This record gives sequence, structure tokens and C-alpha cells, in this order.
Amino acid sequence: KAGVTQTPRYLIKTRGQQVTLSCSPISGHRSVSWYQQTPGQGLQFLFEYFSETQRNKGNFPGRFSGRQFSNSRSEMNVSTLELGDSALYLCASSYASGSGNEQFFGPGTRLTVL
Amino acid sequence: TQLLEQSPQFLSIQEGENLTVYCNSSSVFSSLQWYRQEPGEGPVLLVTVVTGGEVKKLKRLTFQFGDARKDSSLHITAAQPGDTGLYLCAGARNAGGTSYGKLTFGQGTILTVHP
Repeated sequence: KAGVTQTPRYLIKTRGQQVTLSCSPISGHRSVSWYQQTPGQGLQFLFEYFSETQRNKGNFPGRFSGRQFSNSRSEMNVSTLELGDSALYLCASSYASGSGNEQFFGPGTRLTVL
Repeated sequence: TQLLEQSPQFLSIQEGENLTVYCNSSSVFSSLQWYRQEPGEGPVLLVTVVTGGEVKKLKRLTFQFGDARKDSSLHITAAQPGDTGLYLCAGARNAGGTSYGKLTFGQGTILTVHP
């Protein structure tokens, strides 16, 4: 069974631009969560989608948004990029939503904002 | 805010030594997961513990969930260079149904095992 895939793996943008990251979950998984990982803050929860609905959202500004499609693939968008948005963005999928469900992570997208 | 305090932050040991990583919180978690992450890759799930007092073994790795489900530990016996990496604990908690898909992560422990 293929794992979680994320595209692109690396991205360089400049301040003020916007970016869209993509995540394809493990086949059969309907929940997709997004996390931001930085050296200073560690892994922080962005949001979770299940059956095309956002079920939960972390403490990030409205510039961070996401969506999920009927095939469970998910995208996240960051508008008006800031230098502090440079991070590894990780997507995780699980079979169902809710606590206790094991989450499987993709390799991440490394975003650099110049 | 549910915080997970992970210690130590850095661990540098020689091959063959034993080590323990701790993950503590003042909050109760319904389950706790341990991950290992290598540079440039996403975290890889090692184990999930869900029952207070539970002990799980994965070859040379032993995971324990505290009786009160507020803390956990990872013990590695006879560490090998291949164990080098970032170890992360992550807790999941039901809070009125608002914790869907949300894991709270510790800051991580960077383990280096020297040959």
C-alpha cells in the first residue's frame, strides 16, 4: 500500500506570494491533518479534514486555509507569505477522525520564503 | 493549552548504551503516540499506547504509558547508530469532540548514537 505523498517536496517563494501544497492520503484513509514544523516551535497542528469537512483548526492566522476533495486528497494554501512561514509542512492521514486514530505522515514539503 | 514536555532535548551516547526519553503533561491523554523522524523526512509512527499502565515492546524499544495517562516513556536498550534520529511523543485527547485529528507534540529528543 502506498504511503502518504506530498507535492512538491521543496518550494521557494518570496514574501507576499501565495502557495498551494498538495497531499494524497493512504488509500482508504478519509482523514487528513496538516502540521507545520519549525526548529523553534516544533510540530504544530494546522487543521484536519474528514469527508471534505474541516473538523478542527489550530491557532494559525486566516492566511492558512485548506480543503479536501471527494477522493480525500487535500490541499493547503498560504496567502501573503511571510518570512516566518518558512517551515516543513507535513500532512498526515488516518482511517477515521477523532483521537486515538493513528496518523501516518508524508515526507513533507519544505517551504522557504525569501 | 495541552502541553507535552519531552526530555531530554538532546542525547548523545555510545553504541551499546541504554537510554530513556520522557514525555510528561499535566493533562490526561486518551492515547499517546511515539514517532521517529529522520532529516528531510516525515515522522514515522513507532507505537500507540492507549491504556493507563500499558507497556509495549518493539524489539529493543520499550514504551510505557503512565497509570494516569499523563506521561509516557521510551526506553532503548543497547542503542545502535541506526537509532539516531528525532524522537517525538504526541498526545491525542477528546475534549468535547473538538480534538478531531489533532495531535499535540512534544518538542522532541534528538538522539545521536556514536559507533
